[in-house]
Amino acid sequence: DIQMTQSPSTLSASVGDRVTITCRASQSISSWLAWYQQKAGKAPKLLIYKASSLESGVPSRFSGSGSGTEFILTISSLQPDDFATYYCQQYNSYPLTFGGGTKVEIK
Amino acid sequence: QVQLVESGGGVVQPGGSLRLSCAASGFTFSSYGMHWVRQAPGKGLEWVAFIRYDGSNKYYADSVKDRFTISRDNSKNMLYLQMNSLRAEDTAVYYCAKVGPSGEYFQHWGQGTLVIVSS
Repeated sequence: DIQMTQSPSTLSASVGDRVTITCRASQSISSWLAWYQQKAGKAPKLLIYKASSLESGVPSRFSGSGSGTEFILTISSLQPDDFATYYCQQYNSYPLTFGGGTKVEIK
Repeated sequence: QVQLVESGGGVVQPGGSLRLSCAASGFTFSSYGMHWVRQAPGKGLEWVAFIRYDGSNKYYADSVKDRFTISRDNSKNMLYLQMNSLRAEDTAVYYCAKVGPSGEYFQHWGQGTLVIVSS
């Protein structure tokens, strides 16, 4: 199974900050990586697929990069609506696996 | 717009069974693979099962293999998860999710249904 490791697990930031979240795969997954945002009590929401493709309707302050085993989610200027938990997920092979999540908190 | 509505959750005793349903609308259901994903209380996301658009291929997480069965009825736009031999560790919110057009990521999600396994 491919293990996905996210860092940090918690991040404290202020509105307007540039935020980066890292996701590492235990083996190469090419660009088969997605990012999701989840708010408390809600279903996750797709942000990014194929490592860097922005899902329709997602604000352009979100961007993804990377390939192989290292990936980054960047929020260019953190907004109040962005305080949430973020997950990466590989879909290179089954079983599909998620990272442990990164909670973005208000500083 | 895409809508996925899960139902069938509830409280069940260990060793019991439950069948979850997911009603799909707003897209051509018979053209897309579908997943079940779960989230235990206060924990992260765990992929559970996948079924191909025509039901010809199915994959399961090791944690549910031989206990859970994913199925679909394309004539009714319905996805199912039959859960047998339930354990306390199966307690979670269960989401159905539609794959994306370019890969088996989770493009659209339902609101989830809560399953509690407890005596």
